[in-house]
Amino acid sequence: DSGVTQTPKHLITATGQRVTLRCSPRSGDLSVYWYQQSLDQGLQFLIQYYNGEERAKGNILERFSAQQFPDLHSELNLSSLELGDSALYFCASSVRDTRTDTQYFGPGTRLTVL
Amino acid sequence: AQSVTQLDSQVPVFEEAPVELRCNYSSSVSVYLFWYVQYPNQGLQLLLKYLSGSTLVKGINGFEAEFNKSQTSFHLRKPSVHISDTAEYFCAVSEMDTGRRALTFGSGTRLQVQP
Repeated sequence: DSGVTQTPKHLITATGQRVTLRCSPRSGDLSVYWYQQSLDQGLQFLIQYYNGEERAKGNILERFSAQQFPDLHSELNLSSLELGDSALYFCASSVRDTRTDTQYFGPGTRLTVL
Repeated sequence: AQSVTQLDSQVPVFEEAPVELRCNYSSSVSVYLFWYVQYPNQGLQLLLKYLSGSTLVKGINGFEAEFNKSQTSFHLRKPSVHISDTAEYFCAVSEMDTGRRALTFGSGTRLQVQP
């Protein structure tokens, strides 16, 4: 158990809908990263927050957004869902905002868009 | 921009045999290197990382990896595998001295340990 929690574990929804994925980082970690794992794209970085502020963006679609709240939990919002958005979404956390810090991954949320 | 290539998508091996999972990277700047393992239906767990110093890095569960700067490689090895090592293994890099902290992952290698 990494100490990172993600809810829900599974999510099934229809095209065009909007969903919110939730992540609680390890106690004391200030950085949260979101990654998407799909069969065709592999593991891709989406976005990073550090202590409530957006720090870096990766291959995140405009239909997706995220935020980190004062209690440091983070939410990833996916809207106008398409079939291709079906994937495993991971949240990871690290203590600070440095490249040497270990990122601890949560168990992921499996999103299925029908 | 950096990229990571894992040369083998699947590696079948018998129990107690040695194994090497290959990883090559490409980057215009120096990088930090990581190996993560993903067991079925679980998240990723860090096996080991190379930040600096000795090029031979020892990790958890008996795994080790060697950083070779001239060949831009970071191959993962274990002298004797167990059935429980069956999982997907990901090599990843992060860039030094840039604004990017996120990891860039390879496509993964599925290690299948057979009895």
